[in-house]
Amino acid sequence: NAGVTQTPKFQVLKTGQSMTLQCAQDMNHNSMYWYRQDPGMGLRLIYYSASEGTTDKGEVPNGYNVSRLNKREFSLRLESAAPSQTSVYFCASSLTGDSNGELFFGEGSRLTVL
Amino acid sequence: AQSVAQPEDQVNVAEGNPLTVKCTYSVSGNPYLFWYVQYPNRGLQFLLKYITGDNLVKGSYGFEAEFNKSQTSFHLKKPSALVSDSALYFCAVRDAGDTGTASKLTFGTGTRLQVTL
Repeated sequence: NAGVTQTPKFQVLKTGQSMTLQCAQDMNHNSMYWYRQDPGMGLRLIYYSASEGTTDKGEVPNGYNVSRLNKREFSLRLESAAPSQTSVYFCASSLTGDSNGELFFGEGSRLTVL
Repeated sequence: AQSVAQPEDQVNVAEGNPLTVKCTYSVSGNPYLFWYVQYPNRGLQFLLKYITGDNLVKGSYGFEAEFNKSQTSFHLKKPSALVSDSALYFCAVRDAGDTGTASKLTFGTGTRLQVTL
């Protein structure tokens, strides 16, 4: 019963390096999301994918790109990391196109950019 | 635009006492409201939601929340707190008038609940 799985759990990057955060869900959910969590800021939506084949910007998309690889997988890429992207990143999914469905979260990926 | 305010960074309560974690929201239409809990080094876990119907919503682990439309509030409550309830609690909102197919929630900044013996 894995739910939402994120890799890696921890990563340290130097400014300018690139990396991809991976996310997979095994609940047959249609929608997937990437949030970042910062102290005093709560969770902010970076990008989301309402269904396979679609992606849309959230509140804070600058500096990120996403790929919905298939129904299960949704990756987040940092092309040129900046210290402002130091954060904890959470992937989430929700069941259907039902807009009042609750989100199921992964355990997070802690990223530090030096 | 939708928004959520959690006015307290931290709430302290003694075990066995009732607890309340406050949340107010702003949406242009009717709200869908959620509470989530986060334990250390873990992801968020769903506690309860209000979509429509009764203003008092019951959720996991004995928690409940009361929707008050006139005060635009959705406070989380529990009659008797446990030490194990100590965690970070997030309120979230979605405008019911947003007809998109994804459940794009806007989260508050979180309230840390500390329950002591």
